[in-house]
Amino acid sequence: EVVLTQSPGTLSLSPGERATLSCRASQSVNGISLAWYQQKPGQAPRLLISGASSRATGIPDRFSGSGSGTDFTLTISGLEPEDFAVYYCLQYGTSPRTFGQGTKVEIK
Amino acid sequence: EVQLVESGGDLVQPGGSLRLSCVAYGFTFSRYSMNWVRQAPGKGLEWVSYISSSGTSIDYADSVKGRFTVSRDSAKNSLYLQMNSLRAEDTALYYCVRSVRALLDYWGQGSLVTVSS
Repeated sequence: EVVLTQSPGTLSLSPGERATLSCRASQSVNGISLAWYQQKPGQAPRLLISGASSRATGIPDRFSGSGSGTDFTLTISGLEPEDFAVYYCLQYGTSPRTFGQGTKVEIK
Repeated sequence: EVQLVESGGDLVQPGGSLRLSCVAYGFTFSRYSMNWVRQAPGKGLEWVSYISSSGTSIDYADSVKGRFTVSRDSAKNSLYLQMNSLRAEDTALYYCVRSVRALLDYWGQGSLVTVSS
């Protein structure tokens, strides 16, 4: 199976700062089938990005995704208070679908 | 508005069985494949099971293969997960998730399964 490794485990930043989250795959992800999700405490995950770089409906443009092959990045260009949460990457190009272990973005 | 509402979670003893249900609202259920994804307390996400829109294609994570069975009833807009031979490590919040071309898009709020004696 494709193992996804997210880094860092925790990112401590202030509102307004730029956040850069990494997701590295153990093998090339089929057809850039890489998605990003945001999860806040007590809530279900919410889809942010699919196809490595396409924002889901209603997602602000401060969220952007990039990458291909084995290296992918989620960038939040200026953190808003509501962006402090846990972020997961998912590869859906190969069965079984696999998630990264998550990156927590916390307020510094 | 797409809504997925899970039910059936409970406290069950090791070796026991449980059936989760998910009712879908706001979209044509019969046209979409569906999944179950779980999250152990304080942990990350784990995909559990997939069923195609027609129900003819089914897949499971190795961790549940042979113990869990996924099914659907399009007449009732419902997805099910029959869980047998439950173990402590199956304790988790189970999410019902819609998929589009393998992408997991809409998630329910989850149903909590606790396996403990």
